[in-house]
Amino acid sequence: GQNIDQPTEMTATEGAIVQINCTYQTSGFNGLFWYQQHAGEAPTFLSYNVLDGLEEKGRFSSFLSRSKGYSYLLLKELQMKDSASYLCAVSYFNKFYFGSGTKLNVKP
Amino acid sequence: SAVISQKPSRDICQRGTSLTIQCQVDSQVTMMFWYRQQPGQSLTLIATANQGSEATYESGFVIDKFPISRPNLTFSTLTVSNMSPEDSSIYLCSVEVIRSNTFDEQYFGPGTRLTVT
Repeated sequence: GQNIDQPTEMTATEGAIVQINCTYQTSGFNGLFWYQQHAGEAPTFLSYNVLDGLEEKGRFSSFLSRSKGYSYLLLKELQMKDSASYLCAVSYFNKFYFGSGTKLNVKP
Repeated sequence: SAVISQKPSRDICQRGTSLTIQCQVDSQVTMMFWYRQQPGQSLTLIATANQGSEATYESGFVIDKFPISRPNLTFSTLTVSNMSPEDSSIYLCSVEVIRSNTFDEQYFGPGTRLTVT
């Protein structure tokens, strides 16, 4: 089976930095994705890691350690519009398996 | 990228009936996927739909309950059969876009919000 864990909910302040963790135990692994999903909308792609290390993309960075089955998404200079759910997903054999998602609340 | 549309966007159905959801993509894609997202939860993969072959279902999902068609490379349908209130959920289709030999990305449709009474 697939086991992908994330914290259920987090709260952070506008302008701050927040780290959302994801641990996984899956039958296979091709890559790890992070998606953002605003309430009532479809998920949208944020970042992708296939090798160990940090991938930076503007205010968003994602880290992967395959040996530890661990990833995190780092959001810098938080804005109110970053309030959303963040989904960690593992891909293999062309399929995506999602974690339960982390709801991020950004407060002024 | 890929632009995906779904019909209907939402529906309220009576238990025991069936609903067919359509998914249309603006470009030809090999693999399409159907997900379910129950209230407050993440996405659960129902099945993979490839053109020219039968859909592949994940554990806990069966063809009799969720028949899928994939008549061409831009279109797919998912039917939710003999519905019960437990089927109330958002159903999303997605497509795989291959970026490189190590990177394939999934784009999601806007979803179909189904309520079964």
